[in-house]
Formats: sequence, C-alpha cells, structure tokens
Amino acid sequence: EAGVAQSPRYKIIEKRQSVAFWCNPISGHATLYWYQQILGQGPKLLIQFQNNGVVDDSQLPKDRFSAERLKGVDSTLKIQPAKLEDSAVYLCASSSSGQLTPGANVLTFGAGSRLTVL
Amino acid sequence: SQQGEEDPQALSIQEGENATMNCSYKTSINNLQWYRQNSGRGLVHLILIRSNEREKHSGRLRVTLDTSKKSSSLLITASRAADTASYFCATISYSGGGADGLTFGKGTHLIIQP
Repeated sequence: EAGVAQSPRYKIIEKRQSVAFWCNPISGHATLYWYQQILGQGPKLLIQFQNNGVVDDSQLPKDRFSAERLKGVDSTLKIQPAKLEDSAVYLCASSSSGQLTPGANVLTFGAGSRLTVL
Repeated sequence: SQQGEEDPQALSIQEGENATMNCSYKTSINNLQWYRQNSGRGLVHLILIRSNEREKHSGRLRVTLDTSKKSSSLLITASRAADTASYFCATISYSGGGADGLTFGKGTHLIIQP
C-alpha cells in the first residue's frame, strides 16, 4: 500500500512570498488533515477535510493560509504572504475512519514539507 | 493549543534498558494514541488505547491509561538503538460535527546509547 505522498520536501522562500504544498493521501482514505510542526514542538492541527468538505479549520490562520481538496482526493495548502513564524514542517495525514467509528481514528502521516522563511 | 504534555522532555538510556515516558492531558478523551517520529520523518502510529481500557500491549510496548488522573505512560522494554526517536501522545475528543483531529503533546526525545 502506497503511503501519504507530499511535495516538495523542502522549500526556502523570502518573507511575504507565497508557497504551496501538495498532498496525496492513501487511496480510499476519506479524511485528510494538515498539521504544522514547529521545531521542538508537537504537530498542531490546521485543517481537517472529510472527502472534499472542510470539517474543522478553527486553527487555520485564514488571513494567510488556505487549503482545498478538490474532488476529495489530493489537497493543497497555500501560504500567502509567508511570515518568519511560518517556518515549520507541514505534515499531511489521512485516515479511513472517523467519528462514525469512534476510537479507531488512526492517522497515517506523510514525510512532511519543511518550509524555511527568510 | 496542545492537549498533552509529555514527561520527560528528553531521556537518554543505555541499550537494553527500559524507557518510560509519561503523558498528561487536560480534557476528557475518547482514546489516546502514541506516535513515534524519527528525525526528519513523519509520525508513525504505535498504539491506541481507548478510554475504557487501562492497559495495552504491543510487542515491546506497554501503554497504561488512568482517566481519573488524566495520564498515560508508554513503556518500551529492552530498548534498541533503532528506538531513538521522538515520542508523542495524542488525544481525541469527539465533539460532534465530524471534527476528530488528534491533539498532540510536545513529545519526549528518546536517545538510546549503544
């Protein structure tokens, strides 16, 4: 079974520039998550999709971050304009289960996209 | 915000020894999971324990859960160099609307000395 694919693995940009990250979840996984992991901290949830609908984006800084999951498969996370504090690893994860099967929400993570904002 | 807090933040032991990490959380949960993250990689699921369970085993891993104290522990027995990684606890609280993203702690960085 192929894992969660993410690209690019590394990106260096100047502040105020824009950047986009792409994620392809495990085939058949309806739920997709984007997490932000700042160095030395645990991952923080940014947004959750169920198929192509947003379920939770309460922690997404909507003035600069946007995400979409057209057709309910691949997803793109965009930052515009980037700030220094956006330097982090952006992790995509997917899951086949959710609240309909409570207690079984195990996430499979991609390797992440490391962003450095100068 | 981060729900869990792992303790200790860093742990260094000799190969073959047992490693114990603790996690405390703040609100009621449906289940608690432990994940491992090797340097520069994504997180890998290790084990899940439901709120009505007290102990669970998987290979060299043993997880306990005390919901009255809102705490969990992860024990790795007979540690190996390959166990060197960061370990995170993650909790989930179903609040309706379908939102069920995991909330992670800050992690324990485990180093196994050969």
